[in-house]
Amino acid sequence: QKEVEQNSGPLSVPEGAIASLNCTYSDRGSQSFFWYRQYSGKSPELIMSIYSNGDKEDGRFTAQLNKASQYVSLLIRDSQPSDSATYLCAVSPIKAAGNKLTFGGGTRVLVKP
Amino acid sequence: DVKVTQSSRYLVKRTGEKVFLECVQDMDHENMFWYRQDPGLGLRLIYFSYDVKMKEKGDIPEGYSVSREKKERFSLILESASTNQTSMYLCASSPDRNYGYTFGSGTRLTVV
Repeated sequence: QKEVEQNSGPLSVPEGAIASLNCTYSDRGSQSFFWYRQYSGKSPELIMSIYSNGDKEDGRFTAQLNKASQYVSLLIRDSQPSDSATYLCAVSPIKAAGNKLTFGGGTRVLVKP
Repeated sequence: DVKVTQSSRYLVKRTGEKVFLECVQDMDHENMFWYRQDPGLGLRLIYFSYDVKMKEKGDIPEGYSVSREKKERFSLILESASTNQTSMYLCASSPDRNYGYTFGSGTRLTVV
């Protein structure tokens, strides 16, 4: 089992719809959770962080965390073509040396006009 | 905003050359990381450092070394470049595990 798992996609979403991305992780003691957006040929950019169970909203993005079920999700409301990118889930496992994050493989999102 | 600067955006090197990739951050972060990213393989950690002169191997350290003589600078060294080291190299920094990483813009290295 991979430490952080994401569906690779592509997730095809009509413009204006909600894109829903999921991420599961294996280390139950994980403390911090992050979503990164990566455009093709560019470096990852941090868009959301979440630390406690529940929802966290920032603009059109909502991160949801359920530690009991060991998953974290990202909702993108009113999806725009500019949201087309790969979204990486990252987790800070309690057992990780130093301050390493463990990354999922990413979900590619395509927003179609 | 935190800025992580990688010295080169694109590099082309010959097989067997010694290659230096430089990374500088301007926010006094303790932790710095080097990743490579390849299609279908995701982000793979090469080395990281949590303090000056400290370094730890990541998942794929073979063929690489690092140097951190100053807090703001973390260098990745390819001792003898090979074609299988052609990749996108990403540097990142972080104050601690609760803040996530800030990535540099990446260096696309081609070894011919």
